[in-house]
Amino acid sequence: QVQLQESGPGLVKPSETLSLTCTVSGDSVSSGNNYWSWIRQAPGKGLEWIGYIYVSGSTTYHPSLKTRVNISRDKSKNQFSLRLTSVTAADTAMYYCARVLYHFDTTSYYQAFDFWSQGTLVTVSS
Amino acid sequence: EIVLTQSPGTLSLSLGERATLSCRASQSVSSGYLGWYQQKPGQAPRLLIYGPSKRAAGVPDRFSASGSGTDFTLTITRLEPEDFAVYYCQQYVSSPLTFGGGTKVEIK
Repeated sequence: QVQLQESGPGLVKPSETLSLTCTVSGDSVSSGNNYWSWIRQAPGKGLEWIGYIYVSGSTTYHPSLKTRVNISRDKSKNQFSLRLTSVTAADTAMYYCARVLYHFDTTSYYQAFDFWSQGTLVTVSS
Repeated sequence: EIVLTQSPGTLSLSLGERATLSCRASQSVSSGYLGWYQQKPGQAPRLLIYGPSKRAAGVPDRFSASGSGTDFTLTITRLEPEDFAVYYCQQYVSSPLTFGGGTKVEIK
């Protein structure tokens, strides 16, 4: 069974950098054919995809966050991490890490967030 | 960016009733590259359907998805107590991946 657990501070000051780490068990962030993603949910709001990292190390980000976000991985610890710079109150949200089940061939294609962490609330406040 | 609009915002139904949730895309989602998720209060979302009609592991067959082009539907044939939650659609035909705003299914 794949499990993901995020860690990091729950309170970040405005203009500083939000840093979270997701530790994965039951799968590898550096092998296979899946992506590893960050998603957030502002209080009482819907879900927003932040970006993901592929097993090769390549990354894709949401255009609205692209200038402030970086997703990286530590193969030795089987972890991947999120850094979001210059945060404001608008970045206050529950942050989830998730595995993206990826498949592509001539007959079918999907990207589905099949395993999620429990989520961690990050509040941006002075 | 593909915008997904879900309706209704809230669906009030009784146990055993059929639920029909709509997800409309701002542009065509070819081949139904859409997934559906369920979220209960205080929990992470749970994958229900992807690919576009594959049920995730452990998802009962009362959940099904259909649609094409820009109009998609999640159907729950007979509501069970554990089905009252918020449901999100999500497209993966193009980046950025986007989610709908959600439909809350509540007990009438």
